[in-house]
Order: sequence, then structure tokens, then C-alpha cells
Amino acid sequence: QKEVEQNSGPLSVPEGAIASLNCTYSDRGSQSFFWYRQYSGKSPELIMFIYSNGDKEDGRFTAQLNKASQYVSLLIRDSQPSDSATYLCAVNLDTGNQFYFGTGTSLTVIP
Amino acid sequence: KAGVTQTPRYLIKTRGQQVTLSCSPISGHRSVSWYQQTPGQGLQFLFEYFSETQRNKGNFPGRFSGRQFSNSRSEMNVSTLELGDSALYLCASSRTSGRGGDTQYFGPGTRLTVL
Repeated sequence: QKEVEQNSGPLSVPEGAIASLNCTYSDRGSQSFFWYRQYSGKSPELIMFIYSNGDKEDGRFTAQLNKASQYVSLLIRDSQPSDSATYLCAVNLDTGNQFYFGTGTSLTVIP
Repeated sequence: KAGVTQTPRYLIKTRGQQVTLSCSPISGHRSVSWYQQTPGQGLQFLFEYFSETQRNKGNFPGRFSGRQFSNSRSEMNVSTLELGDSALYLCASSRTSGRGGDTQYFGPGTRLTVL
């Protein structure tokens, strides 16, 4: 059973719309949750992280965590063509920097 | 502040050979994690080193090994290369290594091709 699952997409949204990316995880002991963006041919770059239930906002990005449902999501408001990338969800179970990554959701923002 | 650097960026080897990849973390960061990224499996954790000690290890065979030096630079070694080892190997640097993990900053990766 995969620890972290994401819809692989591709997800297409028009420019200016809200993109919603979802991630579920299997281990209830998961401690922290990170979202990374990866452009084709590049390495992942951190968008934001969340530790507690609820919403966390950073600019156009909002991370939502629901530990009871084992669900974390990322909302991108006012999507731009430059947001077109693969978005990776990463989960940390306990101690140290061992993260489990989903296989990523490919997002395309159409101008 | 300089980012994470990895050398070499590209590598071509043949089956049965061994390879050593290098990672220099961000200055002041003491944790280095290694990941393998393939199209089918995504990012998979190999191991983490913190203060020269292996802290965590993923589910990879013993052919994959690593070490960390006193200046926090890390190397990973793959012996007896197999075709399936062809992948992008990513190094991630973090300041600390505590409960819940710490923000990781990724290097550009080393693209390994095994022929």
C-alpha cells in the first residue's frame, strides 16, 4: 500500500481559475506535510508546509490539512501559466528527514 | 547563500560498475537526505545523514550506501550497477533533523544512466 497518493492528472485549468490538488496518506502517525513544485527537468522546490489541522495561506497558495480524513490539499488561486508544473505532496512520519512522496499531479494552466 | 550542489550532473556507466555521487549542503545545514527519482516510482527515500551518522534508511538494497563528512558534505555510492538504477538522484539539505522533519532544499540532481 502506498503511503502517499495523489491523482496523477493531468489537471488543466484556465488562467485565473483556482487549481485544487489533493493528497491522501495512509499513516495516522504522520507529523508534517509539505508541498513541492517541480518543473520539467528541474529539482523540486518547496511551496509550503503544514503541521496542524486547518488552513495555512501563503500568497496565492493555501494548504489544507484534515488529519481525521488523512487528507491534505493545495489550492492555487489566480492560476498563472507559470504555475504549470508537477506538484508533489510529501509526508513525514516521525523523526528525521525521511519523507514519503506522492508520484505528483501534473498541472497545466491554459492562457 | 549558495544552494545545494551536486556533482557530477550527468553520469553514464555500464552494468556491474560502481559510482560515487557527491552532495554539498547549504552552509550551516547538518542533514543530508538522498532520493532516487524515476518516472514510474517517483521520489523514493534512500537514506539520511545527520552529523555524520545515518539517521534513517529507506528500502533499498545494500548496494546503495552513503556517508557524511565532518563538513556535512555527503557521498552516496552504488556498487554493481544494474539497468534499473538509471534515475535522477537528488540530494536534499536541511538545517536540523527532529520530530516531524525539517524543510528540505533540493540540489539539481545527478542524472545516472546505466547501459
